[in-house]
Amino acid sequence: DGGITQSPKYLFRKEGQNVTLSCEQNLNHDAMYWYRQDPGQGLRLIYYSQIVNDFQKGDIAEGYSVSREKKESFPLTVTSAQKNPTAFYLCASRVGGTAREQYFGPGTRLTVT
Amino acid sequence: GEDVEQSLFLSVREGDSSVINCTYTDSSSTYLYWYKQEPGAGLQLLTYIFSNMDMKQDQRLTVLLNKKDKHLSLRIADTQTGDSAIYFCAEDPNSNSGYALNFGKGTSLLVTP
Repeated sequence: DGGITQSPKYLFRKEGQNVTLSCEQNLNHDAMYWYRQDPGQGLRLIYYSQIVNDFQKGDIAEGYSVSREKKESFPLTVTSAQKNPTAFYLCASRVGGTAREQYFGPGTRLTVT
Repeated sequence: GEDVEQSLFLSVREGDSSVINCTYTDSSSTYLYWYKQEPGAGLQLLTYIFSNMDMKQDQRLTVLLNKKDKHLSLRIADTQTGDSAIYFCAEDPNSNSGYALNFGKGTSLLVTP
């Protein structure tokens, strides 16, 4: 089965703790993305990576970090510096180059109390 | 980025047609997309249209594009209760952000029997 997996589906953390969200794809896609979704809002771009060992900040990167050591994996760390971390986090991928279709994983709902 | 605008709610009766409208911001967007999100799930790519096209039809879905007015619409024929979901319009404004998408806030479609 090809696709994008995100784990876990629900994640609970105490304020002040860092937490890492997993995103794995077996589609052999070059580009990967992290978006954040808040209730009643569209998606906002956190980070993206177009190739292994390279990534760029999106519109709301503050308080987040990523790595791209392997083509299939793009983990997102939500640090204690993120002021409002409770949200639904969505990972996406794209073949790469100028191909435009972007496919999404099932999402991780993070709750920080 | 600037806002992609969508109406927030739409309610239709089963069997009727639904029309969801969107106004996008960047006339240089090459592709425009429609995604569907069911509760607690990721986004499903429904269809997309290349900016030099006026219309695209895919089974029950028809996309209309008015590039002059930067207006995009999604028509769902013979709407079913399973079509109840949030529908997002998205544009890919430029390649400077790795073709990351700029999303509207989503239109909640409710289909009643």
